[in-house]
Amino acid sequence: DIQMTQSPTSLSASVGDRVTITCQASQDISNFLNWYQQKPGKAPKLLIFDASNLETGVPSRFSGSGSGTDFTFTISSLQPEDIATYYCQQNENLPLLTFGPGTTVDIK
Amino acid sequence: QVQLQESGPGLVKPSQTLSLTCTVSGGSLSSGNSFWSWFRQSAGKGLEWLAHIYASGSAMHNPSLKSRVTISVDPPKNQFSLNLSSVTAADTALYFCAKYNLFTRAFDIWGQGTMVTVSS
Repeated sequence: DIQMTQSPTSLSASVGDRVTITCQASQDISNFLNWYQQKPGKAPKLLIFDASNLETGVPSRFSGSGSGTDFTFTISSLQPEDIATYYCQQNENLPLLTFGPGTTVDIK
Repeated sequence: QVQLQESGPGLVKPSQTLSLTCTVSGGSLSSGNSFWSWFRQSAGKGLEWLAHIYASGSAMHNPSLKSRVTISVDPPKNQFSLNLSSVTAADTALYFCAKYNLFTRAFDIWGQGTMVTVSS
């Protein structure tokens, strides 16, 4: 099974700050990596697909990069509505897929 | 715009079978560019994939749940369903259905989720 790790587990930043989350796969997953945002009690929302492609309608302050085993998710200027947990998800070995454990982002 | 809505009992007794249905609206479950999935999330925990199914009925289940999970599809009703047998308190969770887009290779549409509690 492909295992996903994320760091940090949580972070606190100020409005306007640049926020970076990393995701690492236990083996090469090429660019089969997606990023989701989840607010408490709500469903996940797709932000980034194929490691670096912005989903339609998602603000451009969100971005993703990476390939192979190491990936990065960035919020260029943190906004109050970005308070959420962010998950990476691999689908290199569909139909099996796994999510990272999540990174909780809040406002300092 | 495709929308998904989960339905089913919010309370299930231990050892019984949990049954949930996801209704697809605003589009066809048989569109051919998707497959359909169930996930769950226990309190304070991450997302756990349960099962996928294509409109054709071809399905895959999370091996970690052994043979407890069954997923089925009803294209004329535009619905797909999940059965989880022999439930315990550990199956208490928020259950989501979702659509996987075969072009973007991501889950682009999610239901709002339905809370299921296992308790006598």
